[in-house]
Amino acid sequence: NAGVTQTPKFQVLKTGQSMTLQCAQDMNHNSMYWYRQDPGMGLRLIYYSASEGTTDKGEVPNGYNVSRLNKREFSLRLESAAPSQTSVYFCASSESVPGDTQYFGPGTRLTVL
Amino acid sequence: AQKITQTQPGMFVQEKEAVTLDCTYDTSDQSYGLFWYKQPSSGEMIFLIYQGSYDEQNATEGRYSLNFQKARKSANLVISASQLGDSAMYFCAMSGVNTGGFKTIFGAGTRLFVKA
Repeated sequence: NAGVTQTPKFQVLKTGQSMTLQCAQDMNHNSMYWYRQDPGMGLRLIYYSASEGTTDKGEVPNGYNVSRLNKREFSLRLESAAPSQTSVYFCASSESVPGDTQYFGPGTRLTVL
Repeated sequence: AQKITQTQPGMFVQEKEAVTLDCTYDTSDQSYGLFWYKQPSSGEMIFLIYQGSYDEQNATEGRYSLNFQKARKSANLVISASQLGDSAMYFCAMSGVNTGGFKTIFGAGTRLFVKA
């Protein structure tokens, strides 16, 4: 039982490059989330998926897209990376509805040069 | 607008003593959840404790308890018998669903240092 897994752990991009961050959970949770954490700050919600087949914007969605591939997987895509997107990205999941306790993956440290 | 305030950027506590980490929140939602997470230097986010807005009893999980004062909109975390491994960043968070959709807000965190 791995919980929430994220790949990659580290990534360096050049401005304008694209990439997809992958997230999977094996807890049979319905809801999944993507956050970013900037230095010295708390987490900010980028997008969430309340259930398979639905996605919604969070607090800071600009520059990102998401896909809820199936119940287990929720990916985050940066189409044209910018230095302002340098951050640590966390994926999380919760059991049934948004508002339930969220369990987090280990994070992806992304640097955009 | 929803807001979480953690007024203590850093706290020191002697090993084996208790410590309270402050959290105040602002929301107009009737139903919401309050959470505390621990982030050690390794970077992962570890769930500690949850309090629902309608729960009348304060939540407890082992050495962690949440001092929930709804009228004052505070949700302080109390760690009893501090251990060296408790040294970490601690984040207070609030989640809720209303007509505007789902929102989750994190505070800026409190760094706890446990002294031997």
